Amino acid sequence: DADVTQTPRNRITKTGKRIMLECSQTKGHDRMYWYRQDPGLGLQLIYYSFDVKDINKGEISDGYSVSRQAQAKFSLSLESAIPNQTALYFCATSDPGQGEGNEQFFGPGTRLTVL
Amino acid sequence: QKEVEQNSGPLSVPEGAIASLNCTYSDRGSQSFFWYRQYSGKSPELIMSIYSNGDKEDGRFTAQLNKASQYVSLLIRDSQPSDSATYLCALSSGNNDMRFGAGTRLTVKP
Repeated sequence: DADVTQTPRNRITKTGKRIMLECSQTKGHDRMYWYRQDPGLGLQLIYYSFDVKDINKGEISDGYSVSRQAQAKFSLSLESAIPNQTALYFCATSDPGQGEGNEQFFGPGTRLTVL
Repeated sequence: QKEVEQNSGPLSVPEGAIASLNCTYSDRGSQSFFWYRQYSGKSPELIMSIYSNGDKEDGRFTAQLNKASQYVSLLIRDSQPSDSATYLCALSSGNNDMRFGAGTRLTVKP
């Protein structure tokens, strides 16, 4: 079974629609992250959460919101989708208490297309 | 200047050769360094982490870190076609500020 799962895996929507991307993990990690990936730009951090009561903006949070419903669940919402939010979205988790550093483990990704 | 710089490639090497991937960074406070492999359309997969200057070997992979020169590299020995992927360099200063390079696309030709 996958440790980090994302739903949906693919989504096509129209400009102005509200979209929610969901992430669940069974790794028991406290920290969770949302990234978007665009060709040639690498991964950009949208939001991250250290625990259920802690939410932090990343470098490109405008147009996005998140909800940490439980330790294992972290959702990303696009309140009013626009075409330049078309990208590959990844959820990741980490536990700084494991290993030597903040290694992050990624879900399979959600490919979002906004028409 | 980007915080994490990688040559986008593509880097092409013949099967069995050594592939050398390089990454430079601007933040001298960076403490943790990672290499991720990403196949097309898939998620990044952690393959190496390094925290101290010098070399760290794991199977066919060797990560090299030089903090004074602000670069980290990944060597892949005996390259295989299955190594063809995009390799992402990532680093952190320890404050949950993981930054990724745009990646280098590697092609290993049979």
